[in-house]
Amino acid sequence: DGGITQSPKYLFRKEGQNVTLSCEQNLNHDAMYWYRQDPGQGLRLIYYSQIVNDFQKGDIAEGYSVSREKKESFPLTVTSAQKNPTAFYLCASRIGQGDFAEAFFGQGTRLTVV
Amino acid sequence: AQSVTQLDSHVSVSEGTPVLLRCNYSSSYSPSLFWYVQHPNKGLQLLLKYTSAATLVKGINGFEAEFKKSETSFHLTKPSAHMSDAAEYFCVVGAGNNRKLIWGLGTSLAVNP
Repeated sequence: DGGITQSPKYLFRKEGQNVTLSCEQNLNHDAMYWYRQDPGQGLRLIYYSQIVNDFQKGDIAEGYSVSREKKESFPLTVTSAQKNPTAFYLCASRIGQGDFAEAFFGQGTRLTVV
Repeated sequence: AQSVTQLDSHVSVSEGTPVLLRCNYSSSYSPSLFWYVQHPNKGLQLLLKYTSAATLVKGINGFEAEFKKSETSFHLTKPSAHMSDAAEYFCVVGAGNNRKLIWGLGTSLAVNP
């Protein structure tokens, strides 16, 4: 079945550590996104990529980094510079950025700082 | 500028009664509009979408929404609520010449027995 797979489902990070969240899609979509979700704040865009080897900052990119070396993969690294990383992280993909297509979502990764 | 406003942060209904979740948008271009549902600790699932075809859009699980350009609204409705409808609902507009997705803050729907 086609879809988006995020792993792990739960992740715990110690202060000062970098952690990487995985996102893989087999939908052959060009555009991929990372969102952060906090209670009462909806979804906020961290980074997005419209094509392989290219990505742009979203609204809250500070303390995060991404890569897009393959079409199907868009990993997100939460660096030690992110001061409040505890949140629910959602990865999504669309056929393309500039069309009417909907976004498809993974099941999310809940990151907790311990 | 593009924006989306969900007028209620929380809605509570009784099982079997109608559901109305309100969404207003602002867009300089002809928008695409979406409603998503999220159950606790889950990803988001598309309920329905409007992409300039019929103004009344039918979605999954008995939900529908009507695009009203004059009112810049895209309210989500369901005739009869079910306990399984309890979730968070997000209105989204794909706006601008690059169709960037703009998200509402969500409406939490509670369904009482």
